[in-house]
Amino acid sequence: DSGVTQTPKHLITATGQRVTLRCSPRSGDLSVYWYQQSLDQGLQFLIQYYNGEERAKGNILERFSAQQFPDLHSELNLSSLELGDSALYFCASSVRGLAESTDTQYFGPGTRLTVL
Amino acid sequence: AQSVTQPDIHITVSEGASLELRCNYSYGATPYLFWYVQSPGQGLQLLLKYFSGDTLVQGIKGFEAEFKRSQSSFNLRKPSVHWSDAAEYFCAVGGNSGNTPLVFGKGTRLSVIA
Repeated sequence: DSGVTQTPKHLITATGQRVTLRCSPRSGDLSVYWYQQSLDQGLQFLIQYYNGEERAKGNILERFSAQQFPDLHSELNLSSLELGDSALYFCASSVRGLAESTDTQYFGPGTRLTVL
Repeated sequence: AQSVTQPDIHITVSEGASLELRCNYSYGATPYLFWYVQSPGQGLQLLLKYFSGDTLVQGIKGFEAEFKRSQSSFNLRKPSVHWSDAAEYFCAVGGNSGNTPLVFGKGTRLSVIA
């Protein structure tokens, strides 16, 4: 158990809908990362937050957004869902997420999203 | 831009045999390198990491990896594979700034036969 929790574990929805994925980082971790794992694209970085502020952005679609709250949990919002958004979405956390040489990301169990 | 190549999509080994999973990276500066394992239906578990120092790093579950700068490689090894090692293995590279997200390889699926 990495200490990172994600809910829900599974999500099934229809095209055009909107969903919210939730992540709670390890106790004390300030940085949260979101990754998408799909069969064709593999594991891809979406976005990073540090202590409530956006720090880095990857190949995140405009239909997707995220935020990190004062209690450091994070939510990833996916809207106008398409079939191709079906994937496993991982959250990871790390202690600082800044220029620290020993920063390591620990991953949650993931949320499997199925868009029908 | 950073990139990671795992040349082997699928490897099958016999239980008790040795294992080596290959990983090549491309990064402009000193890379920070990681191996993660993903069991079916599970998240990613960190096996080991390399930041600096000794180029041979030990990880959990009896795994080790060797950083070879001249070959831009970070291969994962295990002397004797157990059936429970069957999983997907991912190599990842990150920079020396926490702002640098991890770039993952496509993964190598390991099957273990009796």
